[in-house]
Amino acid sequence: DAKTTQPNSMESNEEEPVHLPCNHSTISGTDYIHWYRQLPSQGPEYVIHGLTSNVNNRMASLAIAEDRKSSTLILHRATLRDAAVYYCILRRVSNFGNEKLTFGTGTRLTIIP
Amino acid sequence: GAVVSQHPSRVICKSGTSVKIECRSLDFQATTMFWYRQFPKQSLMLMATSNEGSKATYEQGVEKDKFLINHASLTLSTLTVTSAHPEDSSFYICSARGGTGQYFGPGTRLTVT
Repeated sequence: DAKTTQPNSMESNEEEPVHLPCNHSTISGTDYIHWYRQLPSQGPEYVIHGLTSNVNNRMASLAIAEDRKSSTLILHRATLRDAAVYYCILRRVSNFGNEKLTFGTGTRLTIIP
Repeated sequence: GAVVSQHPSRVICKSGTSVKIECRSLDFQATTMFWYRQFPKQSLMLMATSNEGSKATYEQGVEKDKFLINHASLTLSTLTVTSAHPEDSSFYICSARGGTGQYFGPGTRLTVT
């Protein structure tokens, strides 16, 4: 399985940037890096994904290390609605074309008003 | 776009009965859908991968005769928990393959009494 390592929890003040780190030292060349977040009693919500280059969308930015063994999800201005568990996941596709997302324990982000 | 629904959102059943959970992709076609299970304060665990028109692929340790999966159309997959027991009580989440990622449903809370 494609393993990722994230801090169990982080706190940030409202309206400040948040940097959520993720280590994925066993990443292979074809693995995509995906980030999802999950609110209590809800399904995960897609945040962003990338392969090699940094990515930006309306929700967040994704900074990928040059060796791809780590990445950082950046929320530019955290709001209370960003409080959730954030999962960093490697999307791996097998030789047979089957894909798999392996969820780790994620980072529980708390936003302080 | 890329909305996935699940029905029901909550279900309570008696031990020994069967329960069917539906997963629908509302605005896109999904040849592949996935079923996950999440116990309280734990991460999502992939149970099985469902491909339209063919048999599901189950993860190690998941009983295929207990968790019946049918993917009869490009927009619908069903999970039937047969002869449910209290230890099957969990949050069941489906996802559908779209683009380069997976889009998750809101989840179904199953309680077996």
